[in-house]
Amino acid sequence: DTGVSQNPRHKITKRGQNVTFRCDPISEHNRLYWYRQTLGQGPEFLTYFQNEAQLEKSRLLSDRFSAERPKGSFSTLEIQRTEQGDSAMYLCASSQMYGAGELFFGEGSRLTVL
Amino acid sequence: GENVEQHPSTLSVQEGDSAVIKCTYSDSASNYFPWYKQELGKRPQLIIDIRSNVGEKKDQRIAVTLNKTAKHFSLHITETQPEDSAVYFCAANNFNKFYFGSGTKLNVKP
Repeated sequence: DTGVSQNPRHKITKRGQNVTFRCDPISEHNRLYWYRQTLGQGPEFLTYFQNEAQLEKSRLLSDRFSAERPKGSFSTLEIQRTEQGDSAMYLCASSQMYGAGELFFGEGSRLTVL
Repeated sequence: GENVEQHPSTLSVQEGDSAVIKCTYSDSASNYFPWYKQELGKRPQLIIDIRSNVGEKKDQRIAVTLNKTAKHFSLHITETQPEDSAVYFCAANNFNKFYFGSGTKLNVKP
């Protein structure tokens, strides 16, 4: 297990299309987070899971965004009807459940909406 | 939710000098404060962290201090080296969610 992996690493799409990103966390990590990062900004919290349960979703997150973690392992983040403002780096991170554990980040999936 | 503010946004120092980055947070319930280093095009990586029951922690050339009363914490890097050049993010853990500052771009001039 080499860490958190995300794919695709880069995605270019046209406005209005749907895109899906996948995250495979570190295998023993119960918690999985999605963040969005734009140039020059810190990661912005989107949502997080504890096992398969989605415990919280940012109020800033549009209804066009949905995330799943069906078996408590990998997770997907889908963006429907993409807009140019969705262009960003989407980071996945995982951590262990007990205590405020360290976040391990993936390399990210960069989305460009034309 | 939690609000984390970070200053300065850019910091330029001469090699060998010290660098200090400061963060404030808004929710006294936040209890864990990590610092991440992100090099261009790479993932953020943890460099040091501190929990709310500790006032200071040091790891070689880096140290973090926490003032719970004032709700601020700082990263100190001594004897800076060119490889310290990167963007540094502070974060606060609030009910299992991590909130990040906007980042400090540190440039260490040789």
